[in-house]
Amino acid sequence: DTGVSQDPRHKITKRGQNVTFRCDPISEHNRLYWYRQTLGQGPEFLTYFQNEAQLEKSRLLSDRFSAERPKGSFSTLEIQRTEQGDSAMYLCASSPPISDRRDSPLHFGNGTRLTVT
Amino acid sequence: AQSVAQPEDQVNVAEGNPLTVKCTYSVSGNPYLFWYVQYPNRGLQFLLKYITGDNLVKGSYGFEAEFNKSQTSFHLKKPSALVSDSALYFCAVSTDQTGANNLFFGTGTRLTVIP
Repeated sequence: DTGVSQDPRHKITKRGQNVTFRCDPISEHNRLYWYRQTLGQGPEFLTYFQNEAQLEKSRLLSDRFSAERPKGSFSTLEIQRTEQGDSAMYLCASSPPISDRRDSPLHFGNGTRLTVT
Repeated sequence: AQSVAQPEDQVNVAEGNPLTVKCTYSVSGNPYLFWYVQYPNRGLQFLLKYITGDNLVKGSYGFEAEFNKSQTSFHLKKPSALVSDSALYFCAVSTDQTGANNLFFGTGTRLTVIP
């Protein structure tokens, strides 16, 4: 399977704990995106990387959230001091270079579902 | 500012009947419009997009969508629904022609196709 891979699929944590999610994009894709999806809502943009550079962050990304893509390949999203309101599906997507985006601009992974108790 | 409205949370249709999932949008400048589908516990899959040109856009799995500038709509359609089409459908608008950046999603419409 050469799609976008996310790990873990599910994470249950207690309020106040830190959690980290991993995303492995499609190998030739230079852009990587993080979205958050809560129940009954569409995905909301959090941040994106072009190669290793984090180019944009949403206002939704509070100081407790940090994302990295150290070598321009996989990415991690860490949430510190989790709150119940952080419970959501965290989706990763990758996008190929501009010249290859005709057919499908974003390729999504299956997400990590976070439950904060 | 950009926004997308999907006025129906739920659409039910009998197998074999035509289906329509509605979407209206608001954007400053040229609209670039997209439809994605989400199956349970899965990520989103791209169906189709409108960038420019013909108002009727054909996409994956027999779906099509019609861009209507005067009504600011981009309704998703299929002539004959399949049970396997049952899923959550998201309309999205972007100010980026590639559809990778500045993508704003609607709240989704759950389609149920009844055998």
